Amino acid sequence: NAGVTQTPKFRILKIGQSMTLQCTQDMNHNYMYWYRQDPGMGLKLIYYSVGAGITDKGEVPNGYNVSRSTTEDFPLRLELAAPSQTSVYFCASSFPYNEQFFGPGTRLTVL
Amino acid sequence: EDKVVQSPLSLVVHEGDTVTLNCSYEVTNFRSLLWYKQEKKAPTFLFMLTSSGIEKKSGRLSSILDKKELFSILNITATQTGDSAVYLCAVTTSGTYKYIFGTGTRLKVLA
Repeated sequence: NAGVTQTPKFRILKIGQSMTLQCTQDMNHNYMYWYRQDPGMGLKLIYYSVGAGITDKGEVPNGYNVSRSTTEDFPLRLELAAPSQTSVYFCASSFPYNEQFFGPGTRLTVL
Repeated sequence: EDKVVQSPLSLVVHEGDTVTLNCSYEVTNFRSLLWYKQEKKAPTFLFMLTSSGIEKKSGRLSSILDKKELFSILNITATQTGDSAVYLCAVTTSGTYKYIFGTGTRLKVLA
């Protein structure tokens, strides 16, 4: 099992550009999450999904969009990148209320 | 508003010391509390606690939950430099499927 995989590992964007962060899990988890982690801070929930076709906003959804067309994939879309979106992004998946498995993260810099 | 608070924010100890990390929470419909260790990458799971007073143990690490006083502690005995990391606490609540994270305790163990 690969667990949770994320691509890319690193990315530099210019202000106003868009990109999609990819996340895939092979553990048949229904629940998937996107977090961002700023330096020295905890994890802030951006969006989550409880199954294919079902998504909901977390604490900090502005500037992001998600879709969930399959159980395995949960891409995060950044539209019109801003310097405030410079962060490390983690995707995670789980069974309900259980241990979350995290991907390796994507380090994004917006200049 | 649901919240999770960890203390201390940071801690520096010497190898062989014992440390106690705290996680307190104020949430509606508590379900479980989880501890993670985060080195310079994704968080990795340590423990999940759902019942008061039952200690979970793994090697030199142990954790216990007090649902009456709304807190958990993570103990690390005979610390080693490899224990240096950020320790994150997260709480789940029934019906929301979200994990509410604290900001973490940064532990540094000196040789």
